[in-house]
Amino acid sequence: LAKTTQPISMDSYEGQEVNITCSHNNIATNDYITWYQQFPSQGPRFIIQGYKTKVTNEVASLFIPADRKSSTLSLPRVSLSDTAVYYCLVGPYQTGANNLFFGTGTRLTVIP
Amino acid sequence: GAGVSQSPSNKVTEKGKDVELRCDPISGHTALYWYRQSLGQGLEFLIYFQGNSAPDKSGLPSDRFSAERTGGSVSTLTIQRTQQEDSAVYLCASSPLGLSYTDTQYFGPGTRLTVL
Repeated sequence: LAKTTQPISMDSYEGQEVNITCSHNNIATNDYITWYQQFPSQGPRFIIQGYKTKVTNEVASLFIPADRKSSTLSLPRVSLSDTAVYYCLVGPYQTGANNLFFGTGTRLTVIP
Repeated sequence: GAGVSQSPSNKVTEKGKDVELRCDPISGHTALYWYRQSLGQGLEFLIYFQGNSAPDKSGLPSDRFSAERTGGSVSTLTIQRTQQEDSAVYLCASSPLGLSYTDTQYFGPGTRLTVL
């Protein structure tokens, strides 16, 4: 699985847009990029997944440049409830490669 | 519908004792995973069940750890002769098919194990 690097922590004020960038220089052709969110005392929760360009859902947007060596999770107008750890994962779309590799993630703290 | 549930939510045990942790996956989900998360760390993969196939045990840290999944549904993770380094949150997840990395995994709330 491709190794990922993301900031250890970030702070943001309520109402701001937050962008968390993940580096994955060794991403392979058949790798997908997935982000999970983990609140304190809970298991991780899937946020968004993409392969290239831009993906948007009701929670976030995921921007992936053409070289795919990085990706940016964008959270619009964060609130206090968005305080959580955000994990960037990279892995292949192939049978059998199912276990997820979570790094330490980015701890986002939203400030009132 | 109901999500993944785990029991107990907290378990305190003495070093050397055996513990059993239970996971009830989402009904109909084929795949089930166990992970553990030490304080302030990311998740560590332990074991994966997919349908009737032999489980992927590649993540189990020692032979003190074992897991079974009965009837393709409920799973039990057993830790024998617990050690203090086993203290962690044990997370269970399930996914609909489990045939690909891209299948979304749905996590339970975890069991916090403390070994004294």
